[in-house]
Amino acid sequence: QKEVEQNSGPLSVPEGAIASLNCTYSDRGSQSFFWYRQYSGKSPELIMSIYSNGDKEDGRFTAQLNKASQYVSLLIRDSQPSDSATYLCAAPDSGGGADGLTFGKGTHLIIQP
Amino acid sequence: KAGVTQTPRYLIKTRGQQVTLSCSPISGHRSVSWYQQTPGQGLQFLFEYFSETQRNKGNFPGRFSGRQFSNSRSEMNVSTLELGDSALYLCASSLSSVYNEQFFGPGTRLTVL
Repeated sequence: QKEVEQNSGPLSVPEGAIASLNCTYSDRGSQSFFWYRQYSGKSPELIMSIYSNGDKEDGRFTAQLNKASQYVSLLIRDSQPSDSATYLCAAPDSGGGADGLTFGKGTHLIIQP
Repeated sequence: KAGVTQTPRYLIKTRGQQVTLSCSPISGHRSVSWYQQTPGQGLQFLFEYFSETQRNKGNFPGRFSGRQFSNSRSEMNVSTLELGDSALYLCASSLSSVYNEQFFGPGTRLTVL
């Protein structure tokens, strides 16, 4: 059973600080990774995708991937109260997508004004 | 570009009934995946359709089925509803596979009484 693990939180971060969200995965063959943001009562919204080792930046968001350590992270700079949400890490399996996207249980992030 | 649409948004059924949910993907997207989200289990993969064929299926009973039409629109059906089927059902579309970025619709909230 392929797994994606996240700390459920809540993770509380002061406004303006950097929020750091972490995710580990068990399928060593996974090649693509996705971060979704989900507000309460809403559907997941894709905010970042990363396919190669290293960093990928998009506005205030930076995704980091380390395939050797099977670790992917999301940094949110200059955190805003509107960033308060659950962040889901997801990865497809390496066996042809038979398991679709495997999601972590999500990290609940709270940005304190 | 219009996003993924799902109908209906809310549904209340009683045990033993069946239900059909509909999903229209983003224009040009040919892969449609379905997920079930519950507070206890998180997001779980139901199945994926591509070119009118079910390409992958998650670990759900045969009461859960689906299909895809030539215009990539998809439906999922749940027969003989059980209380435990109460969940948010999410449809996601991508260009060609779960390895591509997947974009979620707003979901259908199903309540089984």
